[in-house]
Amino acid sequence: GQQVMQIPQYQHVQEGEDFTTYCNSSTTLSNIQWYKQRPGGHPVFLIQLVKSGEVKKQKRLTFQFGEAKKNSSLHITATQTTDVGTYFCAGPTGNQFYFGTGTSLTVIP
Amino acid sequence: NAGVTQTPKFRILKIGQSMTLQCTQDMNHNYMYWYRQDPGMGLKLIYYSVGAGITDKGEVPNGYNVSRSTTEDFPLRLELAAPSQTSVYFCASSYRGRNSPLHFGNGTRLTVT
Repeated sequence: GQQVMQIPQYQHVQEGEDFTTYCNSSTTLSNIQWYKQRPGGHPVFLIQLVKSGEVKKQKRLTFQFGEAKKNSSLHITATQTTDVGTYFCAGPTGNQFYFGTGTSLTVIP
Repeated sequence: NAGVTQTPKFRILKIGQSMTLQCTQDMNHNYMYWYRQDPGMGLKLIYYSVGAGITDKGEVPNGYNVSRSTTEDFPLRLELAAPSQTSVYFCASSYRGRNSPLHFGNGTRLTVT
């Protein structure tokens, strides 16, 4: 079955430093979605990427979809304490969404 | 709009007991999903539904059952609770399945002792 892996599993950064999480799928994806989950909260949708090589930006967040549509990345510039949480990628197979293992981000003030 | 509503928020079960986790959405979404999230882990798909009357197994369906008699409701049933089912359960819905975002409920934290 499909597997979606994310690295790193944990990341601690000083406030103001950049952060990147990588997502890799064992199969080609039709699209990929990114979610953020605050501690004690539920996942919240951030963005969807559909096209090969697509790059989208949301303020300090930059999302990329690989050329082969099997990998993706999320980059946060100049992290803030409000960025704390776990970031998940999710890729569909049929009508099912498989979530990555997540990257937990801690921002040290 | 309330979005996706899950009840209860917390529950403690004894081994062998049964319970139903309720999930309802008011967005008229056809697609609904149940996930479980173990501490420090990702989300695993238990069951999903593409519309009323249609359900299908996900990655980890053993020990669970679902039904989808209406578009709005997608309850998850645990028949014989086991400690391995201690987890946080999230219900989610989407408008067009794979091509649209998932909207999650606030979750149910279940402990089986």
